[in-house]
Amino acid sequence: KNEVEQSPQNLTAQEGEFITINCSYSVGISALHWLQQHPGGGIVSLFMLSSGKKKHGRLIATINIQEKHSSLHITASHPRDSAVYICAVSGTGAGSYQLTFGKGTKLSVIP
Amino acid sequence: DAGVTQSPTHLIKTRGQQVTLRCSPISGHKSVSWYQQVLGQGPQFIFQYYEKEERGRGNFPDRFSARQFPNYSSELNVNALLLGDSALYLCASSLYITGELFFGEGSRLTVL
Repeated sequence: KNEVEQSPQNLTAQEGEFITINCSYSVGISALHWLQQHPGGGIVSLFMLSSGKKKHGRLIATINIQEKHSSLHITASHPRDSAVYICAVSGTGAGSYQLTFGKGTKLSVIP
Repeated sequence: DAGVTQSPTHLIKTRGQQVTLRCSPISGHKSVSWYQQVLGQGPQFIFQYYEKEERGRGNFPDRFSARQFPNYSSELNVNALLLGDSALYLCASSLYITGELFFGEGSRLTVL
């Protein structure tokens, strides 16, 4: 069973700051997802990656398969980035259908 | 195009009752998965269905069941509700059995 750990659990930043959220997992995966959840519950998929780096606007996600580690970076943070960011991993083989989630990182960006 | 839709959005039940939650995937998506999110925790995987067959099941008791219909919509059923079943139930669809997930807004269940 994969264990997914995120850090930090809570993060407060000033508007404009560069933010990093980390995710570590314990066993090999087929893919890693970064998700954003706003108050009220709706979840939006930000990235799905299995190697390297992806960029979308001010968001950058990287993954190091050997280290079993991924980071989500937000450049020039804005109050609208305030949300819970969740890392989730897909297993390999038959387990690839089952996502294991981290507990999330609650980000608050202050104007 | 409509996103993933779930119904009902909120519901209140009492212990021992049964509940059915519904999910309509994005048009063309053949995979639907269900997740339970207890307040303050990350989601937990319950089921995945692809092409109307169960392809994965999380560590949930047999009180939880689901099915996928020919139009790829899905239902999650929970019998003999317990207080601990109070949670946000999320549905996600994807084009293939693995791939980018698109989530609905969830069904918030309160068991009294």
